[in-house]
Parts: sequence; structure tokens; C-alpha cells
Amino acid sequence: DSGVTQTPKHLITATGQRVTLRCSPRSGDLSVYWYQQSLDQGLQFLIQYYNGEERAKGNILERFSAQQFPDLHSELNLSSLELGDSALYFCASSGPSGTTNTGELFFGEGSRLTVL
Amino acid sequence: SQKIEQNSEALNIQEGKTATLTCNYTNYSPAYLQWYRQDPGRGPVFLLLIRENEKEKRKERLKVTFDTTLKQSLFHITASQPADSATYLCALGDYKLSFGAGTTVTVRA
Repeated sequence: DSGVTQTPKHLITATGQRVTLRCSPRSGDLSVYWYQQSLDQGLQFLIQYYNGEERAKGNILERFSAQQFPDLHSELNLSSLELGDSALYFCASSGPSGTTNTGELFFGEGSRLTVL
Repeated sequence: SQKIEQNSEALNIQEGKTATLTCNYTNYSPAYLQWYRQDPGRGPVFLLLIRENEKEKRKERLKVTFDTTLKQSLFHITASQPADSATYLCALGDYKLSFGAGTTVTVRA
């Protein structure tokens, strides 16, 4: 058990809909990362937050947004869903290392999104 | 553009043999490189981190080397066991840790 909790574990929805994925980092971790993993692509970095502020952005679509709340949990919002958004979405957290990530990431078990 | 490339072919080896995985990168100047293990449908699990000033690092039956001149890391699993069957990912970057596509290892009993 990594200590990172993601909900829901599975989600099935229709095209055009909006969903919210939730992540609770390990106790004490200030950084949260979101990754997308689909069958034909590896782990794709989406976005990182550190202590409530956006720290780095990857190839995150404009239809996707995220935030980190004062209690450090994070949510990833996916809107106007398309078939191609079907994937495993992972959240990871890392320790309070400050401005750079020099440590390991602890991953949750993922949220599997299926868009029909 | 930045690239992380791992053995594209899956690796099938006999139990007890050594598996060697390759990670090559371009357009990165990493201060460190990480290796993760991922089982099907599960989140990646951290295995090892090696810094640019470390040539080699070991953890139990795992060994990692890091050659910043060749821009390459090698990951070895010695005395492999069926339980080592998984996909192994290398990762590097600072704020945005980027992952290679992974190499799937299958260890036959």
C-alpha cells in the first residue's frame, strides 16, 4: 500500500460528459502528480501541484483541469469526454522536498475511465 | 525533443538468469534517474534512484548503472524469479518526471 488513495477505481461514462477524479496523497507529502496511461501510450505526465500551486504542466488537454486543495488532496476534472480519453489515470505524491523532485514518487492504484 | 527509449521488445528469460534492460535518453541532462516496476492494472512502484555522480547502485538482486556520457542506464535483475515478471519503467526529469514506455519481463520457471 503506497498510502496514496484514488477514487473512484472504475468509472464508465458517455462521450460529452464530465468526471472528477480524486486523489489523497500520502500523509505529509506536499506534491501531487497526475499521469494518464492508455494502452497505446505509456505514462504521460499531465500536471504537478506543490502545496496548492501548479508547479509543472505536461501534455494536458484544455478540456482537463486540476487543482490541489488546502488539505492537499487533488482533483482532476475531465470534461467534454471523448472515446480517446479512456485510460488509467494515476495520481502520485512525493515528499516535501521543496522546489525540485529529487525523490521517488508514490503512486495510487489508479482510476480506470471508460468512455462509451 | 526529449526522448526516453527502453528496449522495445519484451524480454523472456529463464529463472535464475540475469535480465538486462536498457534506458536511453536524449535532450535531458538529468541529475538522477529512477526505475519503477509496474504490474498489470496497478500503479508503478519505485525501485531505485541513481544520481549522476553514481556509476552503479544495488538493491538486493537489482543493479543499476548510469552513464551520462552515453546517456544510458542499464537495469539488471540477477538470479531472476517468476515473481520478477512485470513491466519495468525508467524515469527522469525534475518537476515533470517523464517515463519511458517500459520493458516487459517474463521469467519462466
